[in-house]
Amino acid sequence: AQKVTQAQTEISVVEKEDVTLDCVYETRDTTYYLFWYKQPPSGELVFLIRRNSFDEQNEISGRYSWNFQKSTSSFNFTITASQVVDSAVYFCALRDQQQGAQKLVFGQGTRLTINP
Amino acid sequence: DTAVSQTPKYLVTQMGNDKSIKCEQNLGHDTMYWYKQDSKKFLKIMFSYNNKELIINETVPNRFSPKSPDKAHLNLHINSLELGDSAVYFCASSRTRFHEQYFGPGTRLTVT
Repeated sequence: AQKVTQAQTEISVVEKEDVTLDCVYETRDTTYYLFWYKQPPSGELVFLIRRNSFDEQNEISGRYSWNFQKSTSSFNFTITASQVVDSAVYFCALRDQQQGAQKLVFGQGTRLTINP
Repeated sequence: DTAVSQTPKYLVTQMGNDKSIKCEQNLGHDTMYWYKQDSKKFLKIMFSYNNKELIINETVPNRFSPKSPDKAHLNLHINSLELGDSAVYFCASSRTRFHEQYFGPGTRLTVT
């Protein structure tokens, strides 16, 4: 079954701390795609990254970095030197390639609060 | 320039009414989606259209009917609204079925 688990429901840290959001996935596919989305308090969903299963290189974008580990079926997201503007709900998602159609299967989300 | 837009942003209505939510994308994408986000923030696919053709229809009550008049538009019509339909509905689009999805701002539907 296609499934994404974000075990951390809520995380609260003080500004400038580093924080890692965990994402574990289950898939029947040999080739698959993983995503992270951010949902700030304003409510929109913002695409952050797409990672395919045949590229295990870690990705860094400014203060954001992603660690993809096929061996543990994990795709974790780290924010370095967190800022108050990073406060949001973060979703990890897996693309389900069901009979040619493509849909995103989302984790439950992790609510991240950065305190000043 | 708004990439994926939805109207209205807020919708408050009574049980039993029929309502529509409109979605438009100006990205030139050929695939569009509707997702529902419940009060616990859980996001679930409802429908997907590729080049105006319905390709995903999850287990959704048939009171919900999507319509895609062209590749840039995907509307959602809901008949006989129920309390349980209260949620945020997100429209999304992607360049093809295989690319990342970009979401609209959401429509918060409240059924009283």
